[in-house]
This record gives sequence, structure tokens and C-alpha cells, in this order.
Amino acid sequence: AQSVTQLGSHVSVSEGALVLLRCNYSSSVPPYLFWYVQYPNQGLQLLLKYTSAATLVKGINGFEAEFKKSETSFHLTKPSAHMSDAAEYFCAVSYNQGGKLIFGQGTELSVKP
Amino acid sequence: DAGVIQSPRHEVTEMGQEVTLRCKPISGHNSLFWYRQTMMRGLELLIYFNNNVPIDDSGMPEDRFSAKMPNASFSTLKIQPSEPRDSAVYFCASSFRDYPGYFGPGTRLTVT
Repeated sequence: AQSVTQLGSHVSVSEGALVLLRCNYSSSVPPYLFWYVQYPNQGLQLLLKYTSAATLVKGINGFEAEFKKSETSFHLTKPSAHMSDAAEYFCAVSYNQGGKLIFGQGTELSVKP
Repeated sequence: DAGVIQSPRHEVTEMGQEVTLRCKPISGHNSLFWYRQTMMRGLELLIYFNNNVPIDDSGMPEDRFSAKMPNASFSTLKIQPSEPRDSAVYFCASSFRDYPGYFGPGTRLTVT
């Protein structure tokens, strides 16, 4: 079955430290991959997407993600965390254009001063 | 732009009652999505419209759920009759693409 796994339901980093949120997918065909961010009491916002172009994708707010087919991964990174990055982050996968997105369970990011 | 607008933001109703959730997508977007979020099941796509036409409704739980998009600026999700297991946050999202770009703030539904 198609699925996406986010490793770690909670991640805590210090302000200024590297942010690394992990996402792995199961697939036998090239997927479309997405990262969304959800701030408290708000809807999700698209951070970035991979659609088979460049493997390193840059998104909003300084985030980027790298598609690694050999590892079936699409980890989200940011070089330096900011307090405003505290939110829940969702990885999602789609296996055909126009197809249903399958969301991971989410990773809550906390940023300590 | 005001973003995706959903109403009401909170709804508390008794089992058996009809519930109608409303969504106004971002002007110009031609794709609209209804999602449901629960702790147990996470985010689930209920239905996806493109140019006001339902494209994928395979996520609609059962006949108690129905969704309409009479025009490009309005959509409704109706539950009749409602049940306690329908309690969740319901999100509407819109986009120019076939994946959601912008989500509304959600409607938190509680069925007692």
C-alpha cells in the first residue's frame, strides 16, 4: 500500500540550530512529494513540492528538501531555526498528477530560545 | 486576498442533526478540496473538485456525506444525519493545481 512515514512525532531544536524533519515514502513509481506547515489553529500551507524536476527543492521561509530515490526519502531541512518555525509539519505523497495526496502523521517542531 | 474562508469556525451539534459546512475558495482558483483531520486518522481527502466538477469523491465516508460546488466561489459539505464519529476538523483548500495549495482555517465539528 502507498504510504508516507514521518520519523519522530516531536522534534525540538534550539534557535539557530539545524532543522531536520524526516520523511520516507513507499513507492514503486516516481512520486510527487510535498511538505506542508500548520501553525496552531490554522490550516495547512504548502512549503514546497517535488514534481520530478530538480532533486533539491527550495521552499518558502528558508526551507528546502532533497529527493533521494535510493533512500525513498524527502527530508525537510532549514540551516538555522527561528522561533517562528514552531509548528506542525506534514509530508505528503501523490503517485499520479491529479491523484489523492497521502499525508504523514505530522511532526511537531519546537524551537527553544 | 482574504485566503480560503470557511464557516462556521466551530460547530457543536447533537447526533442526528444536519450539519452544513461552507467554503469560499481563493478567487481564481479552479481546484477545491475538502479534508478531514482527526488524531486517529490524520488528514484525509474527502472530495476534490476541479472547475466545479467532482473529480474524486472516493474519500467520502458514506452516503451521509455530500458535497456541492454550485459555482467557482462557493462549496458546501453536508452531513445528514451527523454521528459522534464525525467529530473532527474539516478543512477546505483551493489551488490552481491538482494539489491543495492554501487551506482555510478549518471548521471544528463536535457531534454529541
